[in-house]
Amino acid sequence: SAVISQKPSRDICQRGTSLTIQCQVDSQVTMMFWYRQQPGQSLTLIATANQGSEATYESGFVIDKFPISRPNLTFSTLTVSNMSPEDSSIYLCSVRGTENQPQHFGDGTRLSIL
Amino acid sequence: KQEVTQIPAALSVPEGENLVLNCSFTDSAIYNLQWFRQDPGKGLTSLLLIQSSQREQTSGRLNASLDKSSGRSTLYIAASQPGDSATYLCAVRFNQAGTALIFGKGTTLSVSS
Repeated sequence: SAVISQKPSRDICQRGTSLTIQCQVDSQVTMMFWYRQQPGQSLTLIATANQGSEATYESGFVIDKFPISRPNLTFSTLTVSNMSPEDSSIYLCSVRGTENQPQHFGDGTRLSIL
Repeated sequence: KQEVTQIPAALSVPEGENLVLNCSFTDSAIYNLQWFRQDPGKGLTSLLLIQSSQREQTSGRLNASLDKSSGRSTLYIAASQPGDSATYLCAVRFNQAGTALIFGKGTTLSVSS
């Protein structure tokens, strides 16, 4: 399976600032996704990162708050903008090859907002 | 609304015991179902993927079954070991949900030696 590297692995940020999380895959993948895992909760899909075009956001998530880039088939970034304490979560990058292949996850970015 | 439920939320067993984790989902029109484990402070590790046309999948001591008509999946772990201690997550890709995996809240398993 693909090896997924996320940076940073964790960060502590000040309220009102923004942070960009990077996701690098060691092979080309068809689909890339960004998920959020709030404390004590399960995973929620933020958006599907589309190569060369705007990401597809799930209900409750907007581009102004979570801008996403995907310049090629192996790399994507998620920015968490104008952060507040409610944004303290684990953010995970996930990838999948073809339709019938399993989905894989990176180790996540643990974000705390003060 | 498409939902995934996992019961129990937590489970403690002695080493060597066989155990079953349960997953139920609200819509039988699914594309596939995937089981993951999550260790503390880590990401998710894929364990088994079951396509909608399949009834079960096996990997080592793990066996996952799928019954679409009743909206249920089970993950069977044979001869449990302390290293199996983790949170196990069930995720379903519903036909109507596009590409999204909908996750349950997980079962946290503790295996004591």
